[in-house]
Amino acid sequence: AQSVTQLGSHVSVSEGALVLLRCNYSSSVPPYLFWYVQYPNQGLQLLLKYTSAATLVKGINGFEAEFKKSETSFHLTKPSAHMSDAAEYFCAVSPSSWGNEKLTFGTGTRLTIIP
Amino acid sequence: EPEVTQTPSHQVTQMGQEVILRCVPISNHLYFYWYRQILGQKVEFLVSFYNNEISEKSEIFDDQFSVERPDGSNFTLKIRSTKLEDSAMYFCASSEPSIYGYTFGSGTRLTVV
Repeated sequence: AQSVTQLGSHVSVSEGALVLLRCNYSSSVPPYLFWYVQYPNQGLQLLLKYTSAATLVKGINGFEAEFKKSETSFHLTKPSAHMSDAAEYFCAVSPSSWGNEKLTFGTGTRLTIIP
Repeated sequence: EPEVTQTPSHQVTQMGQEVILRCVPISNHLYFYWYRQILGQKVEFLVSFYNNEISEKSEIFDDQFSVERPDGSNFTLKIRSTKLEDSAMYFCASSEPSIYGYTFGSGTRLTVV
């Protein structure tokens, strides 16, 4: 079975400050990990994905995440927060990189940007 | 950029009624999914569909639920005899095996009253 745990249901950062959203995973097979963003009243948009090619993954909108097997973590970071980053962020895990397996999501982290 | 389209965006139904949520996946995708998100909770997998049959379903996806691809372009989720606890945002997604990363639709918010 696979699961992800997102620490912190709400995170607030000042505009221009570092964004760090935490995700830890549990998996009995090599995991494939994802971060999705959900803006208000919108669907889920893929930010980035880890598929074992590289441990540091760069995504859209300046976000990146680093896969650390020793820590079973896949934290999402952005060096400088922007007001437009305010949204809900979901970490997810899958047993496959082929797009034919279900995703197991974390509970989400709501990111608030303070002007 | 290709999109997954879901209709309606919001549906209100009375308890006990049947609802059909509709999705148009990306045309060359082969795998189709339904997920739901109860307000304030995480996104949960309901069912996956491939080659005109269910490939996997969760324990949530009981006899009350069914899926269909009636005409080769639409993908529907039917909920029979809706209950209050079925109120949620329902997301459709599609994918193709060569490029990982589902494409999700913008969701249908179902409210059962």
